[in-house]
Amino acid sequence: DTGVSQDPRHKITKRGQNVTFRCDPISEHNRLYWYRQTLGQGPEFLTYFQNEAQLEKSRLLSDRFSAERPKGSFSTLEIQRTEQGDSAMYLCASSFPSGRSYNEQFFGPGTRLTVL
Amino acid sequence: AQKITQTQPGMFVQEKEAVTLDCTYDTSDQSYGLFWYKQPSSGEMIFLIYQGSYDEQNATEGRYSLNFQKARKSANLVISASQLGDSAMYFCAMREGRSGGSNYKLTFGKGTLLTVNP
Repeated sequence: DTGVSQDPRHKITKRGQNVTFRCDPISEHNRLYWYRQTLGQGPEFLTYFQNEAQLEKSRLLSDRFSAERPKGSFSTLEIQRTEQGDSAMYLCASSFPSGRSYNEQFFGPGTRLTVL
Repeated sequence: AQKITQTQPGMFVQEKEAVTLDCTYDTSDQSYGLFWYKQPSSGEMIFLIYQGSYDEQNATEGRYSLNFQKARKSANLVISASQLGDSAMYFCAMREGRSGGSNYKLTFGKGTLLTVNP
């Protein structure tokens, strides 16, 4: 399968614990995005990478959140000292700035986080 | 103000009939892109169709077409010949600014849950 993959698919944690999610984009895609989706809402933009450079962070991304994309390949999203309000689906997407898929962001299956 | 408004929380359609899902948007940019994504219960977002603000013709992709009315700032999705597998959440989204520029993030609406009845 050559689509966007995310790991884990589900994570249950206790309030105050740290969690880390991984996203592997489609191999030739140089742009990678993180979104958060809460119940009954559409996805909300969190942050964006072009290659290894993090070019924008949403105000939604508090200081407890950090994202990296070393070497411009996979990306990790870490949440420190999780809170119940962090419970959501975390979606990763990737895109390539040319060709037929120029305007399309390809999404992964998401990581569903539950903070108890 | 909401940038993307989807006023239909839920829609029902009979199998094989056509259905229109509404989307209105708000932007001051002259160049922007409009997208529709499908999200089945499995959770993955599936790209359906794209319309650029300067595209003169309405976009079509198989059974999907986008009814783009620029003056009204609406970008409704039309699904023809509905199938049971079309039952899912449908999200309208917008990218502001020109393609290839520094604008890249998508702003999504709250979605419409479509149920196709046999």
